[in-house]
Formats: sequence, structure tokens, C-alpha cells
Amino acid sequence: DAGVIQSPRHEVTEMGQEVTLRCKPISGHDYLFWYRQTMMRGLELLIYFNNNVPIDDSGMPEDRFSAKMPNASFSTLKIQPSEPRDSAVYFCASSFGTPGNTIYFGEGSWLTVV
Amino acid sequence: QKEVEQNSGPLSVPEGAIASLNCTYSDRVSQSFFWYRQYSGKSPELIMSIYSNGDKEDGRFTAQLNKASQYVSLLIRDSQPSDSATYLCAGGGTSYGKLTFGQGTILTVHP
Repeated sequence: DAGVIQSPRHEVTEMGQEVTLRCKPISGHDYLFWYRQTMMRGLELLIYFNNNVPIDDSGMPEDRFSAKMPNASFSTLKIQPSEPRDSAVYFCASSFGTPGNTIYFGEGSWLTVV
Repeated sequence: QKEVEQNSGPLSVPEGAIASLNCTYSDRVSQSFFWYRQYSGKSPELIMSIYSNGDKEDGRFTAQLNKASQYVSLLIRDSQPSDSATYLCAGGGTSYGKLTFGQGTILTVHP
């Protein structure tokens, strides 16, 4: 079975540009998570959805970040405008049943903002 | 207190030794616990999950949970250089809570 699929794998963009990260969760999973990982802050939960509905976005750093899940098989995380401090690895993950169950990570999107 | 805290590390052990990784958690994180392994440049992958007090063994890995003391540990027996990675402890909150991850412990197994 296919795992969580993310795109792009790597992106280098200039400060001020819009960045859109994409995710396809594991089929049948009803929870989707967006994480950000940096050396300084570790793995941080940004937002998570249940059945396409945002449940907790308290980890979204500021209004420049937005996330959507228009259907059960697709989600986006958008940064507009991007800043150098947004450089990180962004992981999408999914799980089934409850948000405290095992979550499965995608391979990550490596973002560099210059 | 952070919800999930891991021993600072980094941890270095010789090949064949037992590696012991520890994690403590707050009251808000108490239902389910997980150990993930993350190789450099890769995504976290699940190694073990544990929900009840006591030990759970899977091959060379043993997870231990002590709810009274609020700690969870991972023992890796007969450590191999391929075990060198960052190990992340995660806890699931009460009722409807999401997973919270610790900062991770870097393990190096040297030949």
C-alpha cells in the first residue's frame, strides 16, 4: 500500500514568494497532520484535521501559514509570504481512529527560503 | 514541565551493548506511547507502541512503561551500527489528545 505522499520533496524559493506543499494521506485514514521540524525546535505540530475538518491549528506560527483539506485524499499547507525562518522540513502524516493512534509520516518536504 | 521530555543525549554505545533511551511525560500525556526512529534526512518511522504498564518486547527492542512514575523507556539489545539514529518518544493525550513528541535522543553505535 502506498504511504503518505508529499510534494515537492525539495523546494528553494526566494523570500516573499508563496510556497504550497501538498499531501496525500494513506487511504482510509481520517486524521491528517502537518508537522515542521528544525534543529532548534524539533518536531512541532502545526495543524491537524479530522475527516477534512481542521481540529487544532494552535501550532500554526502566524497568519502567513494556512492549511486546507478539500477532500479525504488531499491537503495543502501554504506559506505566503515566505521568510528565511520558515526554512525547515515539513512532514505530513496520517492516522486512523483517534489522533493519539500511531501516525505514519510522509517523506517530508525540505523547504529553503533564501 | 514539557509534556514529553527525553534524556538529553547524545548517547554513544559500543556495538553489541544495550542502549537505554528514556522519556518522561506530564499528566496531560498519558494514554498511548510510541517510539519512533529517524535516520538523518529521513522521516520518523514507528518502532514500538505501548499502552499498558510493564514491558513489551519486539526482537531486539523492549519498551517499558511505568505510569506511576510517568516514564517510558526503550532498550535496544545487541546494538548495531545500523541503529544509529535519532529516537523520538511520543505520547498521546487523554481522551481526544494528539500525539506530542519529545526533542529526540541521538544514538550512535560505534563498531
